Amino acid sequence: TQLLEQSPQFLSIQEGENLTVYCNSSSVFSSLQWYRQEPGEGPVLLVTVVTGGEVKKLKRLTFQFGDARKDSSLHITAAQPGDTGLYLCADPQGAQKLVFGQGTRLTINP
Amino acid sequence: GAVVSQHPSRVICKSGTSVKIECRSLDFQATTMFWYRQFPKKSLMLMATSNEGSKATYEQGVEKDKFLINHASLTLSTLTVTSAHPEDSSFYICSARDPGRRTGKGYTFGSGTRLTVV
Repeated sequence: TQLLEQSPQFLSIQEGENLTVYCNSSSVFSSLQWYRQEPGEGPVLLVTVVTGGEVKKLKRLTFQFGDARKDSSLHITAAQPGDTGLYLCADPQGAQKLVFGQGTRLTINP
Repeated sequence: GAVVSQHPSRVICKSGTSVKIECRSLDFQATTMFWYRQFPKKSLMLMATSNEGSKATYEQGVEKDKFLINHASLTLSTLTVTSAHPEDSSFYICSARDPGRRTGKGYTFGSGTRLTVV
């Protein structure tokens, strides 16, 4: 099973600031997914990246897949309190099962 | 589409009793469902893969006799925590993937069950 390392584990910033969180592995991903989870709820899919070097944007969120498909980043511009949550990268493992990284717990302070 | 319903959302039970958690796919058939456990401020840990009509596949370190999984139909998987103890208290989440959707559409998760053993 591929080990996914996320950093930082915790991040607390002020509203309006920018931030980047990372997901890394020693192995190559066939694809990688980012989810967000709010307290007391299940994770919700944000994006899937498949191609090395791929960049996808979702409003103020920008997702990048490394050229070698071993790492990914999530950048949030002008963070808002509504962005608060647990951000998880996950490896679909060829649709056999979904394995998550340790997560980044993000808090945006008003 | 691709809705997964999990019940109950919260349960409190006495130590030594068993608790059953249900996971239903409402608008698709899921031959495979997944059960996760999440500790406070931690990520989701995959416990087992539930296979319709056959035995579940457990991840390393997960006790099969403690966490009984039954997947008797294409829309229902259950997780039974047997002889529960306070250390079993946790947030349990199920998920499923609609086989009719591309892998890139992701897995759909239930809303989770907060189990407290007293």
